[in-house]
Amino acid sequence: QQQVKQSPQSLIVQKGGISIINCAYENTAFDYFPWYQQFPGKGPALLIAIRPDVSEKKEGRFTISFNKSAKQFSLHIMDSQPGDSATYFCAASILKSGGSNYKLTFGKGTLLTVNP
Amino acid sequence: DAGVIQSPRHEVTEMGQEVTLRCKPISGHNSLFWYRQTMMRGLELLIYFNNNVPIDDSGMPEDRFSAKMPNASFSTLKIQPSEPRDSAVYFCASLWGTKPFFGPGTRLTVL
Repeated sequence: QQQVKQSPQSLIVQKGGISIINCAYENTAFDYFPWYQQFPGKGPALLIAIRPDVSEKKEGRFTISFNKSAKQFSLHIMDSQPGDSATYFCAASILKSGGSNYKLTFGKGTLLTVNP
Repeated sequence: DAGVIQSPRHEVTEMGQEVTLRCKPISGHNSLFWYRQTMMRGLELLIYFNNNVPIDDSGMPEDRFSAKMPNASFSTLKIQPSEPRDSAVYFCASLWGTKPFFGPGTRLTVL
């Protein structure tokens, strides 16, 4: 059972455009929703994360929108740049008390290509 | 800090051989994870340790896989015997608070 569904599988955007990647989850116990960026030959790197007590979080050109009732969250990349071309993964987890132990359930990933 | 260190970066072996992947987490991080990445299944958590103790190994595919963390600065993932379907990129990640840091991965090819 896939607990986090990510779409689209691939996305092509022109430089300066907005990239939008969507994820849906099933487990209502999830309370931490990070996005990861992975370049070829590298490990995933944490990009931005959100907790369900807020509906939006913005860091620079990257924004997470969160809809708790719909169990959906999305990543928006504003003013997309060729350097943003990478694979993006959404994830979800249950933070235990203390916040130091958790495991991530990842989406399948979205390959983003930003054309110059 | 050099980040999470994994070795080898690439491993090619023949079916039936034993494979050992190694990981050195970031100093001071108290949790460590092993993930496997394939095109078909994406990123899958295999096992995670907290303070060197295995907490959840439910993702380990079968008895051919084993993982150890003898101390806070070293972990191994062993596959014995290896099979072609084990071909994947294996990532180690260490955790401080809520932020995991992934290593560069080991690309394993089993012929």
